[in-house]
Amino acid sequence: NAGVTQTPKFRVLKTGQSMTLLCAQDMNHEYMYWYRQDPGMGLRLIHYSVGEGTTAKGEVPDGYNVSRLKKQNFLLGLESAAPSQTSVYFCASRGGTGTAYEQYFGPGTRLTVT
Amino acid sequence: LAKTTQPISMDSYEGQEVNITCSHNNIATNDYITWYQQFPSQGPRFIIQGYKTKVTNEVASLFIPADRKSSTLSLPRVSLSDTAVYYCLAVPSGYSTLTFGKGTMLLVSP
Repeated sequence: NAGVTQTPKFRVLKTGQSMTLLCAQDMNHEYMYWYRQDPGMGLRLIHYSVGEGTTAKGEVPDGYNVSRLKKQNFLLGLESAAPSQTSVYFCASRGGTGTAYEQYFGPGTRLTVT
Repeated sequence: LAKTTQPISMDSYEGQEVNITCSHNNIATNDYITWYQQFPSQGPRFIIQGYKTKVTNEVASLFIPADRKSSTLSLPRVSLSDTAVYYCLAVPSGYSTLTFGKGTMLLVSP
C-alpha cells in the first residue's frame, strides 16, 4: 500500500513550456485534491475531484487544468508555465466515510519555472 | 467553513510540553476540530481530531471545552523532530474542500 504518490519529484521548466503532474492513490478514495504551497504560505487549493470523471475549481485554478479519467489518478496540467507557478505542489486524497475524513498527502513535486 | 486563528509561531526546548491554542468562535455544530502536522519538505499529515472534551493518541492530546470556541493541541515532551508547522481546522462532516491557513510554526531547540 503506497498511499499517495506523485510524479515527478522535481522539475525545472522554461516559461511557456507545458507539463503534467501525476498523482496516484491506491486507497480507492473518491476525493482527490491538488494544492500549491509557496514559501511561508499555507496550502492553497487549485482543483479537486469528488469522483472519477469529475473536476472542480478551487481557490487558485487559473493557469492549470486537471483530469480524473481513472479513480486512482488525478492529473494536473500546466499548458504554458509562468514563473508565478514556481511552487511545491501537493496532491491529496480522502475517502468518503467515517467522521475523520482525513486527507492523505503525497510527498510533493517541486516545480521551478525560469 | 469556520475560521480558525492560531499563533504564527512558537518556540520550545526539548523535553518540554507544548500547548498550541486554536480559536474558532463561529464553529458549526457538525464541525470537528482537526489538526495536521507538516514537516519541512513533506506533505501535511493528519494527527488528531475531536469534537468535545479530550482526545489522546500516540502523537498528541486535543482538549476541547464545552463551548467549543477554542481548542488546545498538546504535545508532551517534545523533541527536535517535532519541529513542524501545525494546522488547526474546523472540518464539517462530509466536506468537499478544506482551507488550510498558515498554521503555527513550532521550533524545538536543544
